[in-house]
Amino acid sequence: GENVEQHPSTLSVQEGDSAVIKCTYSDSASNYFPWYKQELGKGPQLIIDIRSNVGEKKDQRIAVTLNKTAKHFSLHITETQPEDSAVYFCAAWATGGGNKLTFGTGTQLKVEL
Amino acid sequence: DAGITQSPRHKVTETGTPVTLRCHQTENHRYMYWYRQDPGHGLRLIHYSYGVKDTDKGEVSDGYSVSRSKTEDFLLTLESATSSQTSVYFCAISDTKGDQPQHFGDGTRLSIL
Repeated sequence: GENVEQHPSTLSVQEGDSAVIKCTYSDSASNYFPWYKQELGKGPQLIIDIRSNVGEKKDQRIAVTLNKTAKHFSLHITETQPEDSAVYFCAAWATGGGNKLTFGTGTQLKVEL
Repeated sequence: DAGITQSPRHKVTETGTPVTLRCHQTENHRYMYWYRQDPGHGLRLIHYSYGVKDTDKGEVSDGYSVSRSKTEDFLLTLESATSSQTSVYFCAISDTKGDQPQHFGDGTRLSIL
C-alpha cells in the first residue's frame, strides 16, 4: 500500500519568514495530494491540494509543488504569521486505492514573533 | 464551516464496554468517513460509507463497526472497547464530485481505562 513520509516533524520560524514542509510517497499511481491544517482542538482543514497533472499550485501565501518523478511534494508558506501556527498534514490518494487517503505523520509549525 | 457535528466530544469509559460515536452532517454529502488520530500515525481510516447502508472497511477496521441508516448520520461502534482504542476520532465528509474527504468534524476524544 501507499506510504507517505513527512518532514520535518517540528518547524519553528520567525514571523515573516518562509516555511517549507516536504512529503514523499511510494505509490506511483497516486494522483491527488491534499494538505490539511489542524489547529488545537479542531479537525483538519483542507487548505490546498494538487493533482498529478499539475506541477505547482498557489493560493495567496501558500503553494504546493509536485515532482512526480521523484515522488515528492512540498508545502510552501511565505510571509508566515502567528496564525499559521498549527499542525500540517500531507496526504496522498491513488485511483483504485480503496478510496482512502494515506496521511503523513504531521508537522508542528510554530511561528514566533 | 461545513455542517459536521460529532457527539460526544469527550468520553471516558472502561474496557469491555460498548461505545457508539455519532457523526451528523447537514451538507447532504454522499461520502462519510471515520478516522482515528494517534501520535506518530497521522490519521488512519477506520471505515467509510458511500451511501445509505453502503459501507466498507478502512486500514484499521478491526474492533469497529459502522452503520448509516440515513444520509446525514454515520455511527461508529466499538462493541467491546479496549485500551488500544483510546484515541481521537474524526468524522469526515465528501461531496459527490469526488471521494476524498474534504471536511472534517472537530473530533471525539475517547479514553478507555
